[in-house]
Amino acid sequence: KAGVTQTPRYLIKTRGQQVTLSCSPISGHRSVSWYQQTPGQGLQFLFEYFSETQRNKGNFPGRFSGRQFSNSRSEMNVSTLELGDSALYLCASSLVGGMGLFFGSGTQLSVL
Amino acid sequence: TQLLEQSPQFLSIQEGENLTVYCNSSSVFSSLQWYRQEPGEGPVLLVTVVTGGEVKKLKRLTFQFGDARKDSSLHITAAQPGDTGLYLCAGAQSGGGADGLTFGKGTHLIIQP
Repeated sequence: KAGVTQTPRYLIKTRGQQVTLSCSPISGHRSVSWYQQTPGQGLQFLFEYFSETQRNKGNFPGRFSGRQFSNSRSEMNVSTLELGDSALYLCASSLVGGMGLFFGSGTQLSVL
Repeated sequence: TQLLEQSPQFLSIQEGENLTVYCNSSSVFSSLQWYRQEPGEGPVLLVTVVTGGEVKKLKRLTFQFGDARKDSSLHITAAQPGDTGLYLCAGAQSGGGADGLTFGKGTHLIIQP
């Protein structure tokens, strides 16, 4: 069974640009959640999607958005990038959400 | 905001030694999960503990959930270099949903050969 796939692995952008990250969950998993990981703050929850609906949202500005498609694949978008958005963005899938998350390898975003 | 505090933040020991890392909170969790993360990769789920006082063993790793479901510990026996990584605990509130998962900042563990 294939794991969670995130693309791209690495991304370099400049301030003010926007970026879209992609996540393909494990087959059969309908819940996809996104996390931001930084050395100072650790893993912080961005949002969770279940059956194409955003079910939960963390405490991030509106520049961070996401969506889920009918095949459970998910994308997250960050607009008007800031230096502080540099981080590892992790996607995780699960059958029902919360319990037993399966993470992808992440997208390392650097904002210059 | 619920916080999970992990200690120690950093630990470097020799191969063959034993160690314990801790995960503490003032909040009650319905379950607690432990993950290990290696550089450049996402966290990998090691175990989920659900019942207060529960002990689970995974080869040389022993996980315990506190009686009050506010804390947990991970004990590694005869540590090996392959145990090196960032160990994260995550507490789940009742009701499920990914936002119910609160992650600690982790313990960076280095096992020196």
